[in-house]
Amino acid sequence: EVQLVESGGGVVRPGGSLRLSCAASGFTFDDYGMSWVRQAPGKGLEWVSGIIWNGGSTGYADSVKGRFTISRDNAKNSLYLQMNSLRAEDTALYYCARDFTTPGHMDVWGKGTTVTVSS
Amino acid sequence: QSVLTQPPSVSGAPGQRVTISCTGSSSNIGAGYDVHWYQQLPGTAPKLLIYDNNNRPSGVPDRFSGSKSGTSASLAITGLQAEDEADFYCQSYDSHLSVVFGGGTKLTVL
Repeated sequence: EVQLVESGGGVVRPGGSLRLSCAASGFTFDDYGMSWVRQAPGKGLEWVSGIIWNGGSTGYADSVKGRFTISRDNAKNSLYLQMNSLRAEDTALYYCARDFTTPGHMDVWGKGTTVTVSS
Repeated sequence: QSVLTQPPSVSGAPGQRVTISCTGSSSNIGAGYDVHWYQQLPGTAPKLLIYDNNNRPSGVPDRFSGSKSGTSASLAITGLQAEDEADFYCQSYDSHLSVVFGGGTKLTVL
């Protein structure tokens, strides 16, 4: 079964850091680009960051550029999002998603991990 | 404010047809980038509904269809059912901003 499982969310103070992980299974991980998409409480979807299959190219939303870093470890079938200098507006449910093509659509989504930035 | 504009809400009675619009610009939909649609049922992760403008993944009923023209795209749902009640999002690529989503449309089945 194709599956993505996020972890690493939690409560952090403004200015703090957090590292999210996404474990992939059921498919050849290094055949695909991957993305992080977030959803603030009661709000819509916002693309956060993406990375191509070999990690050779990455992209970021302007709202997180310079603060977040996406990476992947194909040997571990894992995707990561290092989040630094966190702000209250980063509070959201963070989804990991598989990019069927780049650019293109996201055909597999995880259930998400919640990040709360609060003092 | 989202780069792709969707109506905040639409509604229809069971059996009816509804459409959801997604309006972009010359740097995204109008530049030729494909449009994709996702359905998010309450409390769940988004699910791919339509890809590359008008293609359905396996398992998606043919009641759902997509189209694209110029700088806009549309999702049509025919034979509306109670279980279709959800939030719907369009997504494309923008040459300035990378991946972009619409603000989402809440479908209410009356």
